[in-house]
Formats: sequence, structure tokens, C-alpha cells
Amino acid sequence: AQTVTQSQPEMSVQEAETVTLSCTYDTSESDYYLFWYKQPPSRQMILVIRQEAYKQQNATENRFSVNFQKAAKSFSLKISDSQLGDAAMYFCAYWEYGNKLVFGAGTILRVKS
Amino acid sequence: SQTIHQWPATLVQPVGSPLSLECTVEGTSNPNLYWYRQAAGRGLQLLFYSVGIGQISSEVPQNLSASRPQDRQFILSSKKLLLSDSGFYLCAWSGTGVDQPQHFGDGTRLSIL
Repeated sequence: AQTVTQSQPEMSVQEAETVTLSCTYDTSESDYYLFWYKQPPSRQMILVIRQEAYKQQNATENRFSVNFQKAAKSFSLKISDSQLGDAAMYFCAYWEYGNKLVFGAGTILRVKS
Repeated sequence: SQTIHQWPATLVQPVGSPLSLECTVEGTSNPNLYWYRQAAGRGLQLLFYSVGIGQISSEVPQNLSASRPQDRQFILSSKKLLLSDSGFYLCAWSGTGVDQPQHFGDGTRLSIL
């Protein structure tokens, strides 16, 4: 079964600085999708960014960008110009055939003012 | 636009009591529907998913069940709750395309006493 690993249980960043959250996954498939979700204290799950495996270009969404390394099965999230509102739990997720999302354990991001 | 409603927001139930959590989606038809559980400080675990009325796939054997009586309604049930059923339950929907991300409801915090 596919697995998603987030090796950083917790990260801290100074406001306005840049932080990178790591994610690795295991799959034998060549076509799949990867997502980063944000869960603030309100517990809602908010889609941050997604990447299609067949696209070599890294996805970007305003201050959020990814570094997708398909051969290494790595999918890290970079947050630039960090804001207090970025503080949340971040989940990396892999979409596999059958419409099932596989989530990592999450990384708590703390933003210091 | 599409919206997802999940209720109740919080629920406190005694061990052995029944459970019914409801989730409805508006603004779309024939969505894929999902129930997740998030234990305290942990990632999300997929419990059930449905690709159509009456079609339910179970990911984890347990004392919970799911039903989809209508196209945009997804219900999570239990006949007898266990202490281990405590957690945060999230409903999600997605379109049926291969690249459709999942969108989550606000969640239900379930405490078993």
C-alpha cells in the first residue's frame, strides 16, 4: 500500500521568513497526484496546493510552492514570507487510483512574531 | 458554488450508545463522499468512501458503518459506541474526475464518556 511520510512533527518559523515542510511517499504508480492540506486550529481542512505527477513544473500558489522530485518521491512545501495566519497543521497527501487519499501524519507549523 | 455541511459540530455520548453523524453536499451532483477520523494529534484515517448511492467501501473494520441514502447525503453510524471511537470526524467530497481534490466539512468532535 502507498504510504506518505512527514518526518517533521513540528516546525517553527519567524514571521516574514521562509520555511520548508518535508514529505516523502512510496508508490509504484507513475501517474498520481499530490496535495498539501492545511488544518488551522478551527480544524477545517483547506487545500493549499496540488501537483500532478506527470507535470515536471513545480506547482505554485501565491506564497506557497512545492519542490516535486519524482525520482526521489519527495514533495516538499515551501512557504515564503510566513504570516501568523499560516500557523496550522499541514498534511501531505497522495491520491491513488480509486479516489482514495492517503495522508501523512502531519507537521505542526508555529509562526513566531 | 459547492458547499458541504456536517453536523453536529460537537457531540458527547456515553459508551454503548448509538451514533449518527450526517453530511450533506450542495451545488454538485454525484460527488464522491468520504468519512475520515482524526485521533488527537494524529493524521487522518479514511473510514469509508462512496462513489454513488448505496455504494459504500470500508477501509477499516470497526463498529462503525456508513450509508448513502441520497446522492448528496452521507451518514456515519454506530449501534454501540466504544471509548476508542472518540476523535474528530471529517466528511469530505470530491468530483469524479481523476484530478479532483477533496473538500472537507467543518468536522465533528466526538467525545465518548
